[in-house]
Amino acid sequence: NAGVTQTPKFQVLKTGQSMTLQCAQDMNHNSMYWYRQDPGMGLRLIYYSASEGTTDKGEVPNGYNVSRLNKREFSLRLESAAPSQTSVYFCASKGQMTYNEQFFGPGTRLTVL
Amino acid sequence: GDSVTQMEGPVTLSEEAFLTINCTYTATGYPSLFWYVQYPGEGLQLLLKATKADDKGSNKGFEATYRKETTSFHLEKGSVQVSDSAVYFCAPTLCAGNNRKLIWGLGTSLAVNP
Repeated sequence: NAGVTQTPKFQVLKTGQSMTLQCAQDMNHNSMYWYRQDPGMGLRLIYYSASEGTTDKGEVPNGYNVSRLNKREFSLRLESAAPSQTSVYFCASKGQMTYNEQFFGPGTRLTVL
Repeated sequence: GDSVTQMEGPVTLSEEAFLTINCTYTATGYPSLFWYVQYPGEGLQLLLKATKADDKGSNKGFEATYRKETTSFHLEKGSVQVSDSAVYFCAPTLCAGNNRKLIWGLGTSLAVNP
């Protein structure tokens, strides 16, 4: 039982390049989330998926797209990376009930030059 | 709108000192309340939770009580250790239709010196 896995762990991009961050969970959770974490800003929600086949914008969706490929996988794509997207990205998943906690992946540290 | 206010850090304590990190929230419903901890270089993990009024969550010597009348969920530990150095996040979870919305505090950084 691996929990939530993310790839890659580290990535350096040049401005304008694209990439996809991968996330998978093996806990049969319906809900999945993408956050970014910046110093002094806490966690900010980029996109979330309440169930397979649905996605919704969070607080800071501009410059990102997501795909809920199946129940297990939720990917985040940067089509044209910008230095403002330098951050640590976390994927999380959660069970159906309000009292269920979120489970987090180890994070991807992305630098855009 | 729904929001959470968490005590600003950084907090620096000596080993065996008493810790309190304040957290208050505004919510239209009755959220479940969570504290998460993030150790250096890691993702967040659940520290404790409480799902209804007057519940007390506890784990690893930390405690927090769901105070509905003051809409607060303050984190306490009687005697901190160096290994408690981390960032702590308060996070109420609200129910809005079919979505479960989890609101995050900005985090409080704790450094414990030997």
